[in-house]
Amino acid sequence: DVVMTQTPVSLPVSLGGQASISCRSSQSLVHSNGNTYLHWYLQKPGQSPQLLIYRVSNRFSGVPDRFSGSGSGTDFTLKISRVEPEDLGDYYCLQSTHFPLTFGSGTKLEIK
Amino acid sequence: EVQLVESGGGLVQPGASLKLSCVASGFTFSDYWMSWVRQTPGKTMEWIGDIKYDGSYTNYAPSLKNRFTISRDNAKSTLYLQMSNVRSEDTATYYCTRHGGYPHYWGQGVMVTVSS
Repeated sequence: DVVMTQTPVSLPVSLGGQASISCRSSQSLVHSNGNTYLHWYLQKPGQSPQLLIYRVSNRFSGVPDRFSGSGSGTDFTLKISRVEPEDLGDYYCLQSTHFPLTFGSGTKLEIK
Repeated sequence: EVQLVESGGGLVQPGASLKLSCVASGFTFSDYWMSWVRQTPGKTMEWIGDIKYDGSYTNYAPSLKNRFTISRDNAKSTLYLQMSNVRSEDTATYYCTRHGGYPHYWGQGVMVTVSS
C-alpha cells in the first residue's frame, strides 16, 4: 500500500496567519493517464470530513481561495492563508492513484 | 443538496455480523459510484471499498475483502455495508461517501463498537 506521511502532526497558527501542511507519498502519485490523484480534506470538530482540494490543486465547490494546493510526484503541500476560526480542525491528504486508496495520518490545525 | 444518512451502528459482540445502511438524497443515486470509509477512535482514516453506480462492480481494501461486502439498492437510493465476523479493531465511525474516484461528499457517520 502507498504510505502517506503528513507533517506536522499539530500546527498552531495565529488567526490571520498562514499555515502549511506537507504530505509525502511512498511512491509517485502520477497515474498512467498523466493525472495526479492527491486530495485534501478538512474535518471540523464534531463533523464529517469535507473535500477541500482535489487532484493536487483544484478547489472543490464553495472552498474559499485562501486554500491552495500544490506539489507533484511524491511531495505535496496544502497552504491556508489568512486563517479564520472556521479553518480549525483536522486535515487529511488522500491518494487515489493506487489501489487501495490511502489517507495521511492527519494534521491538527489549532489556535496558537 | 447532497445528503447521506447512515444507520445501523451500535454495540456488537466479536464474531457477530452487522449491516449498515446509507440513504442518499439530493442527487440521482444511480448515477454515482459510492464508497465506505471508516475512522478509528484514534482518528485513523481507512478506505473500505466502493461500488459502481449500477452495482455491477466492487473494489475492496484487501485487508477487509473477506469480511466486508458493499451493495446497493438504486430503487431505494440506499447503500449497504455488510460486516461479518467483526473484531475489536473494527470499532470505528463508518462513513458513506459519494465517490468519483475519491470521496466527494460524506455522510455524518455511524458508530460501531465491537466489544463483549
